[in-house]
Amino acid sequence: EDKVVQSPLSLVVHEGDTVTLNCSYEVTNFRSLLWYKQEKKAPTFLFMLTSSGIEKKSGRLSSILDKKELSSILNITATQTGDSAIYLCAVRGGSEKLVFGKGTKLTVNP
Amino acid sequence: ETGVTQTPRHLVMGMTNKKSLKCEQHLGHNAMYWYKQSAKKPLELMFVYNFKEQTENNSVPSRFSPECPNSSHLFLHLHTLQPEDSALYLCASSQYPAGTSVFRELFFGEGSRLTVL
Repeated sequence: EDKVVQSPLSLVVHEGDTVTLNCSYEVTNFRSLLWYKQEKKAPTFLFMLTSSGIEKKSGRLSSILDKKELSSILNITATQTGDSAIYLCAVRGGSEKLVFGKGTKLTVNP
Repeated sequence: ETGVTQTPRHLVMGMTNKKSLKCEQHLGHNAMYWYKQSAKKPLELMFVYNFKEQTENNSVPSRFSPECPNSSHLFLHLHTLQPEDSALYLCASSQYPAGTSVFRELFFGEGSRLTVL
């Protein structure tokens, strides 16, 4: 059965800190890994990763995939209170289904 | 505005009630999904519709009944629910380019928060 594990489950930091969120997976016929940010209700898309070692970047957020280690990290530099959210990792394998992790709840205090 | 609209945003129902959740996508996508999000659990896929045809039913109890009348609208009909069905129900849509199975990211609605008493 396909599985996605995120760590830590929750994290509290101060504004300006840099955080690293982890996602590891077990999936048959890996196709892609996606990161989403869920602030209140609707998860919003951040990144889709398909190739190892290629960093995707958007402003202060960046992510990279390591297929050998079956994992990905999401980095957020110079965190702001607006970064407070649940960050979801999801993986798509050969079944075409997206399998989600439980998420990491990030709280950024002023 | 996410491009995927869900109504109602909040719903409280008794175990004997019948109600429906509605989802509409304005993105021209051809696939729609229902997910269930419970506290401290991963998002669980319930149903998938590609081009209005149901392609996935993830062992969901029959008290949940989906309906997809066209590629822009998706319903989830609810009847004789249990308290453990209380959760956030998220609708999503995505685009599968014609002639391929290339996946595109999901776009989610704001969700319908369901409480079953």
